Amino acid sequence: AQTVTQSQPEMSVQEAETVTLSCTYDTSESDYYLFWYKQPPSRQMILVIRQEAYKQQNATENRFSVNFQKAAKSFSLKISDSQLGDAAMYFCACETGTASKLTFGTGTRLQVTL
Amino acid sequence: KAGVTQTPRYLIKTRGQQVTLSCSPISGHRSVSWYQQTPGQGLQFLFEYFSETQRNKGNFPGRFSGRQFSNSRSEMNVSTLELGDSALYLCASRFSTATNEKLFFGSGTQLSVL
Repeated sequence: AQTVTQSQPEMSVQEAETVTLSCTYDTSESDYYLFWYKQPPSRQMILVIRQEAYKQQNATENRFSVNFQKAAKSFSLKISDSQLGDAAMYFCACETGTASKLTFGTGTRLQVTL
Repeated sequence: KAGVTQTPRYLIKTRGQQVTLSCSPISGHRSVSWYQQTPGQGLQFLFEYFSETQRNKGNFPGRFSGRQFSNSRSEMNVSTLELGDSALYLCASRFSTATNEKLFFGSGTQLSVL
């Protein structure tokens, strides 16, 4: 079984600034994937970024990038040039290669201020 | 392509009743997963169906059941509803290739049990 921990219930960032959301995980599997999902008020979960554990290179998607520290089991999300539309709940999640199900963290609510 | 469609968006039931939720995956996706989201327990995996067969199951009582049809549409049923079943139920369809895999979520069905 795996666990995912997000220790920041809420974060705030000013528009155009950079913010980092933290996530730690634990799994006994060697084959796993890590994700960050965004859930705006519309409630739909939207994939922000995906990282394969076997890849050392950190994943990047436009303004979103991760800092994947495998030994420390840490997977943080950096949002650069924050925009008002980035305001949402952000969930970190883990999926092992043997079981096609996501284990989610408790989420971080991100506020973006002017 | 249309996204993942869940119906209905909102549902109000009373204790003891049963309910059926529907999910239509993205065309061509054969895997459908269900998740329950509550303020107290967060996001929890219910089950996954692939080609009409349940492939994986979470730790929920037998009152929670599902099925998948030949067109990949899926239904989730909860019998003998309890107050604690009030939640947002999210459905996701999976896109898989040899090198990539993504989950696409619907906007959910908000179930309230009175």
